[in-house]
Amino acid sequence: DTAVSQTPKYLVTQMGNDKSIKCEQNLGHDTMYWYKQDSKKFLKIMFSYNNKELIINETVPNRFSPKSPDKAHLNLHINSLELGDSAVYFCASSQDAGGGELFFGEGSRLTVL
Amino acid sequence: AQSVTQLGSHVSVSEGALVLLRCNYSSSVPPYLFWYVQYPNQGLQLLLKYTSAATLVKGINGFEAEFKKSETSFHLTKPSAHMSDAAEYFCAVSGANDMRFGAGTRLTVKP
Repeated sequence: DTAVSQTPKYLVTQMGNDKSIKCEQNLGHDTMYWYKQDSKKFLKIMFSYNNKELIINETVPNRFSPKSPDKAHLNLHINSLELGDSAVYFCASSQDAGGGELFFGEGSRLTVL
Repeated sequence: AQSVTQLGSHVSVSEGALVLLRCNYSSSVPPYLFWYVQYPNQGLQLLLKYTSAATLVKGINGFEAEFKKSETSFHLTKPSAHMSDAAEYFCAVSGANDMRFGAGTRLTVKP
């Protein structure tokens, strides 16, 4: 059983398109995150949700819109894709927002042409 | 704000040699510190964590790290490197609502 699963694993798309990445966790955790990893492996937090409520929204373009239908799911929708959006996007979860271990998905590699 | 700095973006060791990956933290409160490993095309996996109990923390795959408040450091070590240890290693500090990562250190192990 995969604890944190993301789909799709790979996306290749043209500039200007819209795409979504889905994430689900079966750990019963309250908090979920989206991180972006660039080509130099740098990991930057984008969003954090605790019990479906947004608690962190870093300086991310509003073309990125997270949605949490329930605490086990956190999806990421990206509008009007740009070349600079090419990266690996990681979903993660933690027991709560109080500073514990993060459990990561396998990542979704987005390539914008 | 809490942060971590990893010294050295790339470390190369011979198989069987000591592995030392350096991490310094900045925090106004006692930090929760972590080391994660990322193998190629995979997600991050927890190696070990410090949560203010013992200052010497043992993790998986023979890794350990020592929390030194006086030096604000949390360096990762392994006595004898294996080829399978080649990966990207991230130090991280947990904040109020998130986790902040260092820039990563790529470990190469030479036969």
